[in-house]
Amino acid sequence: EADIYQTPRYLVIGTGKKITLECSQTMGHDKMYWYQQDPGMELHLIHYSYGVNSTEKGDLSSESTVSRIRTEHFPLTLESARPSHTSQYLCASSDRTSGPYNEQFFGPGTRLTVL
Amino acid sequence: GENVEQHPSTLSVQEGDSAVIKCTYSDSASNYFPWYKQELGKRPQLIIDIRSNVGEKKDQRIAVTLNKTAKHFSLHITETQPEDSAVYFCAAGGRGSASKIIFGSGTRLSIRP
Repeated sequence: EADIYQTPRYLVIGTGKKITLECSQTMGHDKMYWYQQDPGMELHLIHYSYGVNSTEKGDLSSESTVSRIRTEHFPLTLESARPSHTSQYLCASSDRTSGPYNEQFFGPGTRLTVL
Repeated sequence: GENVEQHPSTLSVQEGDSAVIKCTYSDSASNYFPWYKQELGKRPQLIIDIRSNVGEKKDQRIAVTLNKTAKHFSLHITETQPEDSAVYFCAAGGRGSASKIIFGSGTRLSIRP
């Protein structure tokens, strides 16, 4: 079934650790996004990509980095996690080729806690 | 860049009554206005959207209106039911495959039995 997958779903780590949040989609979409969201609160765009080898920073300043080597895969990396990174991270994708108005499909999220 | 403001931040209505959520946007070039619903612990999902060439769109109990002159758009839910309880996000975006959408800050809607 076409969907967006995120792993891990929950992660508790110590300060200073390097972590990578995984996002994969089997929907054949070109555009992918990362949002940071405290539960039930505003969605902040931190990174997005139009396709392979394309990455852009979003509107919220973030110490994370992303890569897009394969169409279906858009991992997000924190080189040195801090307590201020504690939040939920949502991955999303949309289809650039279907026209200018593109519904975004969201993954289930990764709940990150940095101690 | 685009800025989207959403009001109210919380809304409580009696079951069966109507709920209205309002958003304003700043960029006159925006022409796509989706609404997402996020239930507790779940991912946001698109419930309705409107494009700038239309003033109103309806889908069963939900409707969205757009006033491009005033740069505001609204979500209307009629005959509210318990399953309508969720956080609702408006968003605004521009034309073209290279555009992105900007979300409002969200409205937490509670339906009282």
